[in-house]
Amino acid sequence: GQQLNQSPQSMFIQEGEDVSMNCTSSSIFNTWLWYKQDPGEGPVLLIALYKAGELTSNGRLTAQFGITRKDSFLNISASIPSDVGIYFCAGQQSNTGKLIFGQGTTLQVKP
Amino acid sequence: DTGVSQDPRHKITKRGQNVTFRCDPISEHNRLYWYRQTLGQGPEFLTYFQNEAQLEKSRLLSDRFSAERPKGSFSTLEIQRTEQGDSAMYLCASSLTGRARTGELFFGEGSRLTVL
Repeated sequence: GQQLNQSPQSMFIQEGEDVSMNCTSSSIFNTWLWYKQDPGEGPVLLIALYKAGELTSNGRLTAQFGITRKDSFLNISASIPSDVGIYFCAGQQSNTGKLIFGQGTTLQVKP
Repeated sequence: DTGVSQDPRHKITKRGQNVTFRCDPISEHNRLYWYRQTLGQGPEFLTYFQNEAQLEKSRLLSDRFSAERPKGSFSTLEIQRTEQGDSAMYLCASSLTGRARTGELFFGEGSRLTVL
């Protein structure tokens, strides 16, 4: 089946550092999304990208939709302890809300 | 709290038993989704409804799984004759059609199933 490959699998960083994670696929997606999941919670949408090459920011978060429509990256600047969690990329092809998720990147931030 | 509500939050059952999960979506949302998440993995799509109509089912949804949304509001997901491989977090999400097209889903906290 379709798969999204996220890297790195986990990161352990110092508060204040910048973070970068990415996601690649063998399939083309019309929409790329980044969700965050806190322990015991469901995923929450952070950023959505709709056009190839698009660069979008949401506060300290910046994400880009790859030009080939097969990849995306997420940057977090000046990390803070509440950034801790699992970050998932997700792709959508059919505009139905049926999302294909990556395996997640676990972020830990040391104060 | 007006978010997506799921019940129960945790369920432990013996292999072979039937279990049912309930999801109450955000009140005006016409789209409702079920996803399954195993440890260390991202959510996997199972099925979705627009109002009471079930529009798509994943191949992951075997004959032992059935989902309903009889009045277009809450939904149930039933697993019959549970197997240990069914152990997972079952996530419900809701959205409006327009927002779903953009991939914006609102997830509940999930129902964690453990099959012994």
